[in-house]
Amino acid sequence: AQKVTQAQTEISVVEKEDVTLDCVYETRDTTYYLFWYKQPPSGELVFLIRRNSFDEQNEISGRYSWNFQKSTSSFNFTITASQVVDSAVYFCALSEADSNYQLIWGAGTKLIIKP
Amino acid sequence: DAGVIQSPRHEVTEMGQEVTLRCKPISGHDYLFWYRQTMMRGLELLIYFNNNVPIDDSGMPEDRFSAKMPNASFSTLKIQPSEPRDSAVYFCASSLETNTGELFFGEGSRLTVL
Repeated sequence: AQKVTQAQTEISVVEKEDVTLDCVYETRDTTYYLFWYKQPPSGELVFLIRRNSFDEQNEISGRYSWNFQKSTSSFNFTITASQVVDSAVYFCALSEADSNYQLIWGAGTKLIIKP
Repeated sequence: DAGVIQSPRHEVTEMGQEVTLRCKPISGHDYLFWYRQTMMRGLELLIYFNNNVPIDDSGMPEDRFSAKMPNASFSTLKIQPSEPRDSAVYFCASSLETNTGELFFGEGSRLTVL
């Protein structure tokens, strides 16, 4: 069974629109971490955020915000007023204490922002 | 710091040839990871090191793949002999902690085996 599901393979929006990337995870562990990484066209993966399972507070960083909800096992990522530079593949990942914190990656969502 | 440095950025080789990919992690990072990325399989962890010691190599596809970390500032991933199905982007990443921490990725080495 997939432990990290990013159901949206590709999303295309027009610049300045808001967009939400979904991430649903599966774990029986009580201690775990969730991540978002960005992979722009240049190729390297860039860390965006880490949340631990004991901290359900939502986080905002500029135009980026994350909504962590344990009740629905989701860790969604919203970009407000999207820009062309936000075009990238975004990966959600999970690491669990029971799995020695090995990162389990989602398949990624390709985000296309049209000018 | 310059970040994680990988070489070569691109490699095209013929089936059967030996391929060596190189990585210089960020100074002070105790963990080094080798990943492979393909369209079909996504991101796969091949092996990771802690303080130059291989901890988990269960992701290494087969005996044709080997990885070494002779010192804290250098690691290699070798494929011998290479096959077309090895074509992928290979990423090296380093971190201060295990996977509870942030991974810093290199720009990747794109390997094409003809």
